[in-house]
Amino acid sequence: QLQLQESGPGLVKPSETLSLTCTVSGGSISSSSYYWGWIRQPPGKGLEWIGSIYYSGSTYYNPSLKSRVTIPVDTSNNLISLRLTSVTAADTAVYYCVRQERVETWFDPWGQGTLVTVSS
Amino acid sequence: SYVLTQPPSVSVAPEQTAMITCGGDNIRRKSVHWYQQKPGQAPVLVVCDDCDRPSGIPARFSGSKSGNTATLTISRVDAGDEADYYCQVWDTNPDRRGVFGGGTKLTVL
Repeated sequence: QLQLQESGPGLVKPSETLSLTCTVSGGSISSSSYYWGWIRQPPGKGLEWIGSIYYSGSTYYNPSLKSRVTIPVDTSNNLISLRLTSVTAADTAVYYCVRQERVETWFDPWGQGTLVTVSS
Repeated sequence: SYVLTQPPSVSVAPEQTAMITCGGDNIRRKSVHWYQQKPGQAPVLVVCDDCDRPSGIPARFSGSKSGNTATLTISRVDAGDEADYYCQVWDTNPDRRGVFGGGTKLTVL
């Protein structure tokens, strides 16, 4: 059974870089056709897609975050990462790792999510 | 940019049918997917367009589209269906972007 596990610091200072890792188990991140991505949810609010990546390294990002986001892939360790620079309090959210069936499809499954708080 | 509009809340009595709408420009031309999120949990896919029913999801959950509205229908609602529900599409104008509706809180009376 495919599982996605997010990990990383729960507290980041304003203006610094948020870094998270999503480790994939029960399947290969290099499986053909699957994309992998990140979605976030501020406390008490809705869902926001951040970006997605194919194992080859092809990426696409939410235009509203594109200047600050990078999603690297590490096929050797079966994981993807998220880097979000120059964070502010507005970046405080639960961050979820997800799999996509293909480039423009549904998100399934989801990781359990990890809360990142931006505060000094 | 593409906007999806959902009602903030919907209430329904047990055993009745709940219908949660998702409005978007010409949404009938898009693939629309639906997620259920219970408090403190990650969202779960309950309906996907152009795909098999997600594993473990009962047939009581179904989706439809017409004109500018997509609808998630939950028949024979029970207390376990109480949750937030989100619709989702992909926008490609001008850039590819995943878009979610604002979410609907389903309350089982």
